[in-house]
Amino acid sequence: EVQLVESGGGLVQPGRSLKLSCAASGFTFSDYYMAWVRQAPTKGLEWVASISYDGGSTYYRDSVKGRFTISRDNAKSSLYLQMDSLRSEDTATYYCTRAGGGIAATFDYWGQGVMVTVSS
Amino acid sequence: DIQMTQSPASLSASLGETVSIECLASEDIYSNLAWYQQKPGKSPQLLIYYASSLQDGVPSRFSGSESGTQYSLEINSLQPEDEGDYFCQQSYKFPPTFGGGTKLELK
Repeated sequence: EVQLVESGGGLVQPGRSLKLSCAASGFTFSDYYMAWVRQAPTKGLEWVASISYDGGSTYYRDSVKGRFTISRDNAKSSLYLQMDSLRSEDTATYYCTRAGGGIAATFDYWGQGVMVTVSS
Repeated sequence: DIQMTQSPASLSASLGETVSIECLASEDIYSNLAWYQQKPGKSPQLLIYYASSLQDGVPSRFSGSESGTQYSLEINSLQPEDEGDYFCQQSYKFPPTFGGGTKLELK
């Protein structure tokens, strides 16, 4: 059974940093692109970042480029999102997703989500 | 970026009814369209990929279709557990983009 379990969310002040983690199981992690998708409170879904099988290629939405860093550790079947210079508009639930199909992917499995609140 | 315009924003229907949700792509996405269901307080789940292929475990009352750049999700014989939010998403061109969502409420 595919499982994605996020951790690391919380309340953080604007301008500070936070690192999200996602532990994957039930599939061969290194065979898949992975991605983070977020959802602001009562809003829709928004793709944030994707990473290739070996971590050699990364992709970001414009609003987080230069502030967020996606990475992975295939030996630990883990995905990460380092978020720096956080802004109030980054407040959202962040979902770890398996991205079947590469960078323009269908997100076939989702974690339970982790809440990030950016507020002073 | 490809824009996905989803309608209606909300929908109210009775048990056993059939409903349809639409998604219009701003350009041709060649059937690279997925539908997700998000039940209250839960994470999204993939229902349909490539416009009309049912994800494993999804009931057959869900179906997808397309006509040009217009994509549709149909739910037959509505059940109580179908209440929630539905989103479309294009996977043809980077970056992947989502529709604004449809809130389905059971009367």
